[in-house]
Amino acid sequence: NTKITQSPRYLILGRANKSLECEQHLGHNAMYWYKQSAEKPPELMFLYNLKQLIRNETVPSRFIPECPDSSKLLLHISAVDPEDSAVYFCASSLSGTDSNERLFFGHGTKLSVL
Amino acid sequence: QQKVQQSPESLIVPEGAMTSLNCTFSDSASQYFAWYRQHSGKAPKALMSIFSNGEKEEGRFTIHLNKASLHFSLHIRDSQPSDSALYLCAVSSGTGGYKVVFGSGTRLLVSP
Repeated sequence: NTKITQSPRYLILGRANKSLECEQHLGHNAMYWYKQSAEKPPELMFLYNLKQLIRNETVPSRFIPECPDSSKLLLHISAVDPEDSAVYFCASSLSGTDSNERLFFGHGTKLSVL
Repeated sequence: QQKVQQSPESLIVPEGAMTSLNCTFSDSASQYFAWYRQHSGKAPKALMSIFSNGEKEEGRFTIHLNKASLHFSLHIRDSQPSDSALYLCAVSSGTGGYKVVFGSGTRLLVSP
C-alpha cells in the first residue's frame, strides 16, 4: 500500500525525542494514529478530523500529534519509555464522521525502546 | 464501554476446509461491523463489512450478523495457505471513526 506512507519504518531509541511521519494520498479527511503492542489489537491514540483533534485520554502526554494539513500527520514522542515499544500505524478514512468508516492503514513504524 | 471479543484465539485448518471465526460485542446500539486481516509484519486491511442483520458474501468470504445475539462471524470457504493471518473484527458503536473498537484477534493458520 503506497497510498499511505510512513517514516521511518524502524526506530530504535534510548530515552530520546523523535517524530513519526505519515502522508496519505487518498484524499481522505480523517487521519489516525494507532498503537499495536505485541499480540494485541490496534488501539486508537488520536484522530484528526478536518483539523479537529480527538484523543484517547489514556495516551501519555509525552505523545503529541500534529496535523500540518489534511494529508500529513506527525506524532512527536518525548522521552520514550520501554512500554512505548510497539508498532505505530497511521490510518485514514473518508470523513471520520460516519459509522461505516473503512480504515486504510499505512505499513507502520516499529519502535523499539532500549 | 464497548467490549469486543473474538473466538477462538487461534485456529489451524487444512487447506480446502471451511473456517469460521466469531466476534461478540456488548453495545446493542452498534452500527457497523467489519473484519480486517493482518498478515504477519503487515498492516491491517479491511476485508468486509456489514450494517444490517443477515449475510453478505464476497467470493470465498461470508459475513453473518445477528444484532439480537450481539454476534457476527466470518466464514472462509475453501481456505488457502494465503489466508493464514491475524483476523480482527471491528465494531463501531456510533458515528465517527474514533468509535471503532477492534477485537483481540484470531490467528489463523491454513496448513497445505
